[in-house]
Amino acid sequence: GESVGLHLPTLSVQEGDNSIINCAYSNSASDYFIWYKQESGKGPQFIIDIRSNMDKRQGQRVTVLLNKTVKHLSLQIAATQPGDSAVYFCAENRAAGNKLTFGGGTRVLVKP
Amino acid sequence: GAGVSQSPSNKVTEKGKDVELRCDPISGHTALYWYRQRLGQGLEFLIYFQGNSAPDKSGLPSDRFSAERTGESVSTLTIQRTQQEDSAVYLCASSLGDSRVEAFFGQGTRLTVV
Repeated sequence: GESVGLHLPTLSVQEGDNSIINCAYSNSASDYFIWYKQESGKGPQFIIDIRSNMDKRQGQRVTVLLNKTVKHLSLQIAATQPGDSAVYFCAENRAAGNKLTFGGGTRVLVKP
Repeated sequence: GAGVSQSPSNKVTEKGKDVELRCDPISGHTALYWYRQRLGQGLEFLIYFQGNSAPDKSGLPSDRFSAERTGESVSTLTIQRTQQEDSAVYLCASSLGDSRVEAFFGQGTRLTVV
């Protein structure tokens, strides 16, 4: 569900290392998932999406993994860079025409 | 413009005043969302419009909050009798709705109630 009023968990990563951001979703009927990146002072920006008929999808330096058995979604960022410092949100959609539901978010801090 | 546009970008208002926030979605997008984001926190869902369906108002925190959307165009979020706890960034997003549900966000309106 949507987390309200909670301060964001933080993941500190050394520059050049890989980052893994996790997200648990609640509804087994969800069939579409998105990761968003929000930089300071900006609105969230789309990174990558995945449909429930897939387990893995790769983009440029990012990979999303979907485990429907345990209702878990992860975002992997390869060779993390300072520009990756941001808040990352997962979102799920339960059916066509229904609204996206956002997770609580994770703040990623990249240390030089 | 090509993206979601929100205005004003910043708004400072006195406690007790009413404010109106505007969102211009991407042309052709049938779905429109409003979210609230307090400093350092996540996205708090407020309201969702999808085509001609009745809006999902389940996230509105009190009856001081209301939103309207005319057809598939502009939406306004109104906060009456603002309180200090209303201070936040208000984000609007739009999407194509049924066919593809990637939502595109605006830059937000930063509301400060003093």
